[in-house]
Amino acid sequence: DIVMTQSPDSLAVSLGERATINCKSSQSVLNYLGWYQQKPGQPPKLLISWASTRESGVPDRFSGSGSGTDFTLTISKLQAEDVAVYYCHQYYSLPFTFGPGTKVDIK
Amino acid sequence: DVQLLESGGRLVQPGGSLRLSCAASGFNFNNYAMSWVRQAPGKGLEWVSVITGLSDNRDYAASVKGRFTISRDNSKNTVYLQMNSLRVDDTALYFCAKCGSGSRFSASDCWGQGTLVIVSS
Repeated sequence: DIVMTQSPDSLAVSLGERATINCKSSQSVLNYLGWYQQKPGQPPKLLISWASTRESGVPDRFSGSGSGTDFTLTISKLQAEDVAVYYCHQYYSLPFTFGPGTKVDIK
Repeated sequence: DVQLLESGGRLVQPGGSLRLSCAASGFNFNNYAMSWVRQAPGKGLEWVSVITGLSDNRDYAASVKGRFTISRDNSKNTVYLQMNSLRVDDTALYFCAKCGSGSRFSASDCWGQGTLVIVSS
């Protein structure tokens, strides 16, 4: 199985500043990588698919990059409504797997 | 609007069985693969199972293989998860999710609110 790791486990960023979350897979997943945002009490929401394709309606302050084994989700100017847990997810190889999540808070 | 509505979750004893349902609307159900993903209380997301649009491919996480069965009824726009031999560690909120295409190998672009399964004596 492909193991997904994320760093950091949590981070606190000032409003308007940049937040960067890293995701690493134990083997190449090409660009079969999605990023999800989950707020308390809500289901996950797909932000980015194919490593860098922003979903319709997702603010452009969210961007994804990377391929192979190393990926990054960047929130360029953190807003209060971005407080959430963020998960990466590989759908290249079965069984599909998620990263453990990164909690983003306001500093 | 795409909508997914899960049902069927409840308290069940270890060793018991349960069938979850997910009623879909707002898209051409036949054309999309569907997944189940679960989240234990206070924990992260765990992929459980996926089924293609015409049910020609079904896959499972190792933790549920042989105990859970995914199926769908395209005439009812509904996907199911039959859960047998339930264990305490199956306790979780179970989400139904629509894949972004007919292929299993796509991200899940729409999720239901989830249905809670509690396995306890």
